[in-house]
Amino acid sequence: EAGVAQSPRYKIIEKRQSVAFWCNPISGHATLYWYQQILGQGPKLLIQFQNNGVVDDSQLPKDRFSAERLKGVDSTLKIQPAKLEDSAVYLCASTLRGNELPNTEAFFGQGTRLTVV
Amino acid sequence: GESVGLHLPTLSVQEGDNSIINCAYSNSASDYFIWYKQESGKGPQFIIDIRSNMDKRQGQRVTVLLNKTVKHLSLQIAATQPGDSAVYFCAEKYSSASKIIFGSGTRLSIRP
Repeated sequence: EAGVAQSPRYKIIEKRQSVAFWCNPISGHATLYWYQQILGQGPKLLIQFQNNGVVDDSQLPKDRFSAERLKGVDSTLKIQPAKLEDSAVYLCASTLRGNELPNTEAFFGQGTRLTVV
Repeated sequence: GESVGLHLPTLSVQEGDNSIINCAYSNSASDYFIWYKQESGKGPQFIIDIRSNMDKRQGQRVTVLLNKTVKHLSLQIAATQPGDSAVYFCAEKYSSASKIIFGSGTRLSIRP
């Protein structure tokens, strides 16, 4: 079974520039998450999709971050404009379903390491 | 507020010994707890989970214990191996929502 694919693996940009990350979840997984992981900390949820609808974006800085999952499969996360404090690893994860318990485990991609200089 | 925390940021154990990683949570409404392992340069990897109606669950070389009275969770790794070196996160999930809330992590290092 193919895992969660993310690209790019690394990205270095200057502050105030824009950047986009791409995620392809495991086939058939309805729920997709984007997490931000700052060095030395646990992942923090940015946004959760169920199919192509947003379930939770309460911690997404909407003045600069946006995400979409138009066809309920792939997703993109964009930052515009980037700030120095956005330097982190951006992780994408997917699960078979999201709003039921017991839940299936969340599978994570390797992440995109963003450095803002 | 919502929080899942860990008692120790680092843990060093002798190869072959058992490791115990502890975690405290604050939300008594949490219904589901998960342990993840994260190796350098990789995303978190699911290890084991436990429902709030259980107090113990065993997997291969790992055991998770849940004490709801004191809101405490632990991960026990038997016969720790060099490949167990990683950062371990506990996480919680609420019954009314499906987002996973992570703690700050414990780094486990193995002494030869």
